[in-house]
Amino acid sequence: DQQVKQNSPSLSVQEGRISILNCDYTNSMFDYFLWYKKYPAEGPTFLISISSIKDKNEDGRFTVFLNKSAKHLSLHIVPSQPGDSAVYFCAAPPAGGTSYGKLTFGQGTILTVHP
Amino acid sequence: DAGVIQSPRHEVTEMGQEVTLRCKPISGHNSLFWYRQTMMRGLELLIYFNNNVPIDDSGMPEDRFSAKMPNASFSTLKIQPSEPRDSAVYFCASSPRVFGNTIYFGEGSWLTVV
Repeated sequence: DQQVKQNSPSLSVQEGRISILNCDYTNSMFDYFLWYKKYPAEGPTFLISISSIKDKNEDGRFTVFLNKSAKHLSLHIVPSQPGDSAVYFCAAPPAGGTSYGKLTFGQGTILTVHP
Repeated sequence: DAGVIQSPRHEVTEMGQEVTLRCKPISGHNSLFWYRQTMMRGLELLIYFNNNVPIDDSGMPEDRFSAKMPNASFSTLKIQPSEPRDSAVYFCASSPRVFGNTIYFGEGSWLTVV
């Protein structure tokens, strides 16, 4: 039972354009979501998060949108840069704040930004 | 600042051999997590510790897997005996507290069992 799903295995974008990465979840109890970025041969690094009490969180070029009714979130990167090329994971901890480190990850989306 | 340190970075071993993966969490962090990444299952939590005590090991696949945290600065994940299906990248991560809003991953240990 995959509770966090990233249905697009890959995404290719031109430098300067917007990248939109999508994530769907099935567990309506999830109340916090995170995005991690992973470069080859490195561990995932935290990128941005959002609480279910918000529908948007912005940090520089990165914005995460949450649509609770659709159980969907998306990560927008504007403008995209070649250095953003990486695998992006959507993740969620158990509801209720029992452990933010016990994450359920999506399968990841490979983003390639072309110069 | 030193991040989470894992060793070895790469390990190739024969089926049936014992494998020990090591992790040094970030100083001051009191929660430690072992994750595994495979093509089939993606990133999945194996076990996590809080203040050196195992809290949840429900992700440990079989009795062949065991993890310990003898002190706040060291943890091991052991596989005995190893099997080819254990081939994966094993990540250790740490967090300042259980309710922290992010965890910090090491670079991973790439295990190949032949």
